[in-house]
Amino acid sequence: EAGVAQSPRYKIIEKRQSVAFWCNPISGHATLYWYQQILGQGPKLLIQFQNNGVVDDSQLPKDRFSAERLKGVDSTLKIQPAKLEDSAVYLCASSLEGVLGNEQYFGPGTRLTVT
Amino acid sequence: AQKVTQAQTEISVVEKEDVTLDCVYETRDTTYYLFWYKQPPSGELVFLIRRNSFDEQNEISGRYSWNFQKSTSSFNFTITASQVVDSAVYFCALSEINAGKSTFGDGTTLTVKP
Repeated sequence: EAGVAQSPRYKIIEKRQSVAFWCNPISGHATLYWYQQILGQGPKLLIQFQNNGVVDDSQLPKDRFSAERLKGVDSTLKIQPAKLEDSAVYLCASSLEGVLGNEQYFGPGTRLTVT
Repeated sequence: AQKVTQAQTEISVVEKEDVTLDCVYETRDTTYYLFWYKQPPSGELVFLIRRNSFDEQNEISGRYSWNFQKSTSSFNFTITASQVVDSAVYFCALSEINAGKSTFGDGTTLTVKP
């Protein structure tokens, strides 16, 4: 079974530029999560989708971050414009259903450096 | 609000020693789930175990064991006879039914030296 795929793996941009990350969850997984992991910290949930609907985006900085999950499968996370403090690893995860007891399967992450 | 505290930032042990990673959580919900994940140097988080708030039985899986105590709001993880391959960052996480999201601790970096 293929795991969660993310691309790109690394990205370096200058502040005020835009960037987009892509995630393809495990086939059949209805729930998709985007996390931000700053060096030395645990993952922080940015947004959670159930199929193509948003379940939670309370910690998403909506003035600069946006995410979509068209057709309930792939998802894209965008930052526009980027700030220095956005430097982090962006993790995508998926789980079977919207039930919180299901474990999450994580992708390898995208390491973003904003200079 | 939910919160997970992993007070041990870094732990270093010598191979074959036993080590316990602490996790303390805060929640107002009576129904919740607790998790442990491992993040090896390669970076990909891997699920280790899940516990729901109604199941306080301790669990053992090979060299790994978990101790869940609601009275102290703790969910500690013990590795017996540690190995170099256990070196990783370990995260404890909490999911509240009502809050609808998962909260992770800041992790404990475990280094096992040969």
